[in-house]
Amino acid sequence: DVKVTQSSRYLVKRTGEKVFLECVQDMDHENMFWYRQDPGLGLRLIYFSYDVKMKEKGDIPEGYSVSREKKERFSLILESASTNQTSMYLCASIGAPRGPLHFGNGTRLTVT
Amino acid sequence: QKEVEQDPGPLSVPEGAIVSLNCTYSNSAFQYFMWYRQYSRKGPELLMYTYSSGNKEDGRFTAQVDKSSKYISLFIRDSQPSDSATYLCAMTPNQAGTALIFGKGTTLSVSS
Repeated sequence: DVKVTQSSRYLVKRTGEKVFLECVQDMDHENMFWYRQDPGLGLRLIYFSYDVKMKEKGDIPEGYSVSREKKERFSLILESASTNQTSMYLCASIGAPRGPLHFGNGTRLTVT
Repeated sequence: QKEVEQDPGPLSVPEGAIVSLNCTYSNSAFQYFMWYRQYSRKGPELLMYTYSSGNKEDGRFTAQVDKSSKYISLFIRDSQPSDSATYLCAMTPNQAGTALIFGKGTTLSVSS
């Protein structure tokens, strides 16, 4: 079974802090993704990466950056957290070109 | 018109009922269709994955795609309280992941 692990289930950070969300997958998948999920807005793609050191902007990249130094690990960075970044963050990966996404369990981030 | 429309519910049914969950879409290029189940405080998990039109059955679950009507359905037979979750439809034209479009999810509650 594919396992996508997000290091934190819950995080509380202060406005202006730099925040790192970590994601690791164990199936040697090329493609990895970061989404945020908000009530009434559904899942929105922030960034994705199709290879080590490669990244592409999704639909809502503003205020975020990413890092992919190793194939199995994809990090989401909030350079200066703001209250409107309070959300559920979901990491996902995909192996086969037309395969389905496999999600982690999410990190619920609260910015106060 | 939004690309993917999904009634958010909530939908409440008694145990044993047949449940029908639906999504409509506007982009005729969509070819790959998925249903994800998301339990509270968990990440989405893949339930069904289909290509093009037709039906696919897996146990109590049947996924149906009608490309001519731009309409997909998920049927749950003999529904159980453990089926209580949010169900997300997702679809993509040709390569899953980077172009995956999600519905906003339907919340289902099955009472015993």
